Amino acid sequence: DTEVTQTPKHLVMGMTNKKSLKCEQHMGHRAMYWYKQKAKKPPELMFVYSYEKLSINESVPSRFSPECPNSSLLNLHLHALQPEDSALYLCASSPGQGVRRETQYFGPGTRLLVL
Amino acid sequence: GENVEQHPSTLSVQEGDSAVIKCTYSDSASNYFPWYKQELGKGPQLIIDIRSNVGEKKDQRIAVTLNKTAKHFSLHITETQPEDSAVYFCAASIQTNAGKSTFGDGTTLTVKP
Repeated sequence: DTEVTQTPKHLVMGMTNKKSLKCEQHMGHRAMYWYKQKAKKPPELMFVYSYEKLSINESVPSRFSPECPNSSLLNLHLHALQPEDSALYLCASSPGQGVRRETQYFGPGTRLLVL
Repeated sequence: GENVEQHPSTLSVQEGDSAVIKCTYSDSASNYFPWYKQELGKGPQLIIDIRSNVGEKKDQRIAVTLNKTAKHFSLHITETQPEDSAVYFCAASIQTNAGKSTFGDGTTLTVKP
């Protein structure tokens, strides 16, 4: 299984809503990532978890809250978002050990629209 | 921090021709250089990568070259096909267990049949 899955595929939310994005991998990877991608732009790193601990936080606003319940799951909790937060949210994972420890595998993304 | 520049931003070729995309990086400590292909509505997919101890790597119609001295690396696609049409991103990072990759701005490749 070389797949990263993300749910939901699409999400529309109001600025007062609370929602969560979910990411799952069963490749035994120990590093997981959240990226934000705007149209016609490269992915921007938001958070990195290494061995279930937050290792990189790219100064993301607190309305985005990551959670790594176990080595296979990664969540992104959303609260009080702004319309400019509308984007494709990508999850990725990498082995975190071994020769190809840094090779990242991306999920299909969740397309988020904030009204 | 690392800065990656990618050129061209758009590239249009005839089916069967070759396509070349170039990237430069700024941090001489970077030692891992992946290339991703992103089709419409999908996440980026790794197509090839190269590490700094290697100058060239090939996988069927795709090849990547790396010049550490000049701090640039290139993606070469030969015998292009319409299904190669996508956005291609280069990236640079320092090999760690869970590090930050810096992406180029992307190249939109269109292969005309």
